[in-house]
Amino acid sequence: EVQLVESGGGLVQPGGSLRLSCAASGFTVSSNYMSWVRQAPGKGLEWVSVIYSGDSTYYADSVKGRFTISRDNSKNTLYLQMNSLRAEDTGVYYCTRIITRYKNIDYWGQGTLVTVSS
Amino acid sequence: QTVVTQEPSLTVSPGGTVTLTCASSTGAVTSGYYPNWFQQKPGQAPRALIYSTSNKHSWTPARFSGSLLGGKAALTLSGVQPEDEAEYYCLLYYGAWVFGGGTKLTVL
Repeated sequence: EVQLVESGGGLVQPGGSLRLSCAASGFTVSSNYMSWVRQAPGKGLEWVSVIYSGDSTYYADSVKGRFTISRDNSKNTLYLQMNSLRAEDTGVYYCTRIITRYKNIDYWGQGTLVTVSS
Repeated sequence: QTVVTQEPSLTVSPGGTVTLTCASSTGAVTSGYYPNWFQQKPGQAPRALIYSTSNKHSWTPARFSGSLLGGKAALTLSGVQPEDEAEYYCLLYYGAWVFGGGTKLTVL
């Protein structure tokens, strides 16, 4: 059974940093595209970042230069390092698996809440 | 900046049929954009329904179907159930992924 479990969210001050983790089970993260999607309170979904099976990465313009996506194959875990956080980064962050062939998201984690506030 | 547009809200009666659409600011949506559809209920993570225009996941109820309609991606619900009341999001692939703004579907 495929499972994605996020952790690491919390309250952080503007300009601060946070690292989110996503522990995967039931499949191998290194063999799939993996991505992060976020949702501000009461708002829609926003795609944030992807890491391809070849380790190349891509980011939404809103987070480029501040966020870094990575994975630890030995732990089968995806990460999102978030620096220089802003109030507009507040929201629930979801870890997702992407099926390479169809470029589709099939599984989502339950999400972790990040609040950027002083 | 690419914008993906959905109807903000729709209302359907139980047992009825409704079609939600997904348009791209770049022009007609084709299968090359690999349209995805997701359902999200309050307080829950989104759930995948349709991928690559019209393919269903193993858990997708038969009453949900996807297609291309008039230059847009479309999600049709036939025989709507009360539990289908939710927010629905489309997702298009442009080399990166872009979500639509979502459609709030009310079953009334």
